[in-house]
Amino acid sequence: GAVVSQHPSRVICKSGTSVKIECRSLDFQATTMFWYRQFPKQSLMLMATSNEGSKATYEQGVEKDKFLINHASLTLSTLTVTSAHPEDSSFYICSARGRRESPLHFGNGTRLTVT
Amino acid sequence: GQQLNQSPQSMFIQEGEDVSMNCTSSSIFNTWLWYKQDPGEGPVLLIALYKAGELTSNGRLTAQFGITRKDSFLNISASIPSDVGIYFCAGQLVLRAGNMLTFGGGTRLMVKP
Repeated sequence: GAVVSQHPSRVICKSGTSVKIECRSLDFQATTMFWYRQFPKQSLMLMATSNEGSKATYEQGVEKDKFLINHASLTLSTLTVTSAHPEDSSFYICSARGRRESPLHFGNGTRLTVT
Repeated sequence: GQQLNQSPQSMFIQEGEDVSMNCTSSSIFNTWLWYKQDPGEGPVLLIALYKAGELTSNGRLTAQFGITRKDSFLNISASIPSDVGIYFCAGQLVLRAGNMLTFGGGTRLMVKP
């Protein structure tokens, strides 16, 4: 089955620093990857859609300069949380899809804690 | 935008009981997906439904794509403790301009041994 690997699974950083999260599709080429944020006991909130080789499309209310997304290859997308603040602490999950009609497969998530 | 209503929000059941949860939408989808999320992990795809009326099973799980394309249900038979988690439905609309995936609010399932 389709496997999506996300790294790191947990990260603790100091306020003001930047954190990079990687998302890889291991056994398929992902033309589109998605980044979600999930608050405790809530559903997944789409942050942005990234297409290989082009700029990411951000959802309303998501700061593109704060959450930098790079999708440089068909198997790798990265999310960089720049100048992190405690309110950025959350569970970030990536997902990937091969063909347009294929279901999404998710990474295992990254628990970010900003102190 | 599209809204997905998932119910119930939570369930606390006895081991061995059957479980049923559903999602309804204000508009149509052409794919329904059901995911399970364990604490601290990403959602895992359980069942994907591609046709209106489709009924699909995966072990003790059965899901159906409603005939109106606006709803779907997931049943779990003979629940066991490892069924504990949050179940999300998701409706996908594949358009020429791109895909839209909308998640339900989730159903938190707790199983008492």
